Amino acid sequence: EIVLTQSPGTLSLSPGERATLSCRASQSVTSTHFVWYQQKPGQAPRLLIYGASSRATGIPDRFSGSGSGTDFTLTISRLEPEDFAVYYCQHYGSSFWTFGQGTKVEIK
Amino acid sequence: EVQLLESGGGLIQPGKSLRLSCAASGFPFSSYAMSWVRQAPGKGLEWVSAVSATGDNTYYADSVKGQFTISRDNPKNMLYLQMNSLRGEDTAVYYCATVSFTGDYFHYWGHGTLVTVSS
Repeated sequence: EIVLTQSPGTLSLSPGERATLSCRASQSVTSTHFVWYQQKPGQAPRLLIYGASSRATGIPDRFSGSGSGTDFTLTISRLEPEDFAVYYCQHYGSSFWTFGQGTKVEIK
Repeated sequence: EVQLLESGGGLIQPGKSLRLSCAASGFPFSSYAMSWVRQAPGKGLEWVSAVSATGDNTYYADSVKGQFTISRDNPKNMLYLQMNSLRGEDTAVYYCATVSFTGDYFHYWGHGTLVTVSS
């Protein structure tokens, strides 16, 4: 069973700053099956990135994903007020879907 | 517009059963695999179960295998989750979600229904 570990747990940044979120898999995974979501309080998660680096429809280009093997990164180039939220990574394999524990991006 | 509307949540006693429903619209329901994902209060996301587009294949997280049953009614555009022998740790918001054609991710999500297991 693959375990996804996200770091840091909380990221305190100011609007306009760059955010770098990490997700590490317990074993090498296929990047095409690696995904990122955003979740705001009281809302359902929203798909951000699929295939490790492809933005979902309507997602601004300040969001980018990268990585391969066991290490994946979500980067928000310049934080907008609406970007303060919790971000989850997710992997799919063998009919099982696994989530990381989440990284909260909060206003400093 | 894709819409997923969950219902059936509420306060339920430990050991009891509950069936969640998800009404789908705005997309060809019978063409998509569907899934349930839950989120305990203040916690992260946990995948629970998935069902193929035809309903022939079902998948479960180890934490609910043998306890929950997923099903769908394609003519009615409905997804279900039958939950038996409920425990406190099953307390969560339950989301239904569409599964991408590649199976990799959950594309569209409902707003969720809260299940609280408590005496």
